[in-house]
Amino acid sequence: DSGVTQTPKHLITATGQRVTLRCSPRSGDLSVYWYQQSLDQGLQFLIQYYNGEERAKGNILERFSAQQFPDLHSELNLSSLELGDSALYFCASSVGSGLSGNTIYFGEGSWLTVV
Amino acid sequence: SQQGEEDPQALSIQEGENATMNCSYKTSINNLQWYRQNSGRGLVHLILIRSNEREKHSGRLRVTLDTSKKSSSLLITASRAADTASYFCATDDGANSKLTFGKGITLSVRP
Repeated sequence: DSGVTQTPKHLITATGQRVTLRCSPRSGDLSVYWYQQSLDQGLQFLIQYYNGEERAKGNILERFSAQQFPDLHSELNLSSLELGDSALYFCASSVGSGLSGNTIYFGEGSWLTVV
Repeated sequence: SQQGEEDPQALSIQEGENATMNCSYKTSINNLQWYRQNSGRGLVHLILIRSNEREKHSGRLRVTLDTSKKSSSLLITASRAADTASYFCATDDGANSKLTFGKGITLSVRP
């Protein structure tokens, strides 16, 4: 158990809909990262928040947004869903703001299926 | 885009044998990390090696890094059926917070 908690574990939704994925980082970790894992794209970095502020942005679509709340939990919002958004979405956390020497701990992921 | 490219894509060995997996990357790195993923599960951090290190051990794991060849290898000694999983290398360049993952190697250890 990494200490990173993600909900829901699985969800199925229709195209055009909106979903919210939730993540609680490990106790004491200030950074939260979101990654997408799909068969064709592999593991892709989406976005990072550090202590409530957006820190780094990756290949995140404009239809997707994220935020980190004062209690450090984070949400990833996916809207106008398309079939191609079906993937495993991971949240990860680390203590510091950067990667230098920091180990990143991953949650178990949220399986999203868009039908 | 993928930074790391693991080799081979799939590996099948007998329990007790050693498994060697390779990763090559394209640009300069700060750290290289190896992760394991059991089918449909989360990523488990195995080991981190910094760009100024050449070799690192952790239990049955040995990681080497050759920055001149932009490559790393992960050796699992005395493999067990429980080592069956996908293994990913991931790099960061120190300039930002992004980990760039390879496509992964599927390791099957036959009992």
